[in-house]
Amino acid sequence: AQSVSQHNHHVILSEAASLELGCNYSYGGTVNLFWYVQYPGQHLQLLLKYFSGDPLVKGIKGFEAEFIKSKFSFNLRKPSVQWSDTAEYFCAVFGGTSYGKLTFGQGTILTVHP
Amino acid sequence: NAGVMQNPRHLVRRRGQEARLRCSPMKGHSHVYWYRQLPEEGLKFMVYLQKENIIDESGMPKERFSAEFPKEGPSILRIQQVVRGDSAAYFCASSPGPRVGRYTDTQYFGPGTRLTVL
Repeated sequence: AQSVSQHNHHVILSEAASLELGCNYSYGGTVNLFWYVQYPGQHLQLLLKYFSGDPLVKGIKGFEAEFIKSKFSFNLRKPSVQWSDTAEYFCAVFGGTSYGKLTFGQGTILTVHP
Repeated sequence: NAGVMQNPRHLVRRRGQEARLRCSPMKGHSHVYWYRQLPEEGLKFMVYLQKENIIDESGMPKERFSAEFPKEGPSILRIQQVVRGDSAAYFCASSPGPRVGRYTDTQYFGPGTRLTVL
């Protein structure tokens, strides 16, 4: 069965610091990749997605992610974080022929201090 | 994606009671997915439905859990005879459905229902 691993459970940064959250998946075939964000008290929102094409994907709020097929990775990055980026971030992967089933990582809590 | 509606937002049940969770997809979406988030864990897929059809229920516990998405009305996730281990956040997502040549499309999530079993 495929799995998704997010390396850090909790990341603490100061404003203006750079961010990189790791995501690795186990499925070897064609994949669709997603990053979702959950702000405190809110529901999951889509940050960005990769289906095909340019492996460097740009999302909302200055986030980007790079798909590296050889490393089975889809790391999320932001050059300069803000206090408002404090949230929980989830990587999700779809792979295979089973329609619709997303496999999520365990999530990374990001705390940004002003 | 605020268009996916779930109710109730919070639900408290005693052991042995039934829990019914409702999900109304975004306008124009005919595919619904249910996920469960246990404390300290990520979201786990439970079931994927289209109108009047269950497409994939591989993540559903074999007993006490059922889901439906009728022709009219919201999707319902039903948990019979709840136990403390059912306490979790249950999220519904919807999508318009896979386009030709793609296996999946983007799922938009609702706010979740937090079930507490006493």
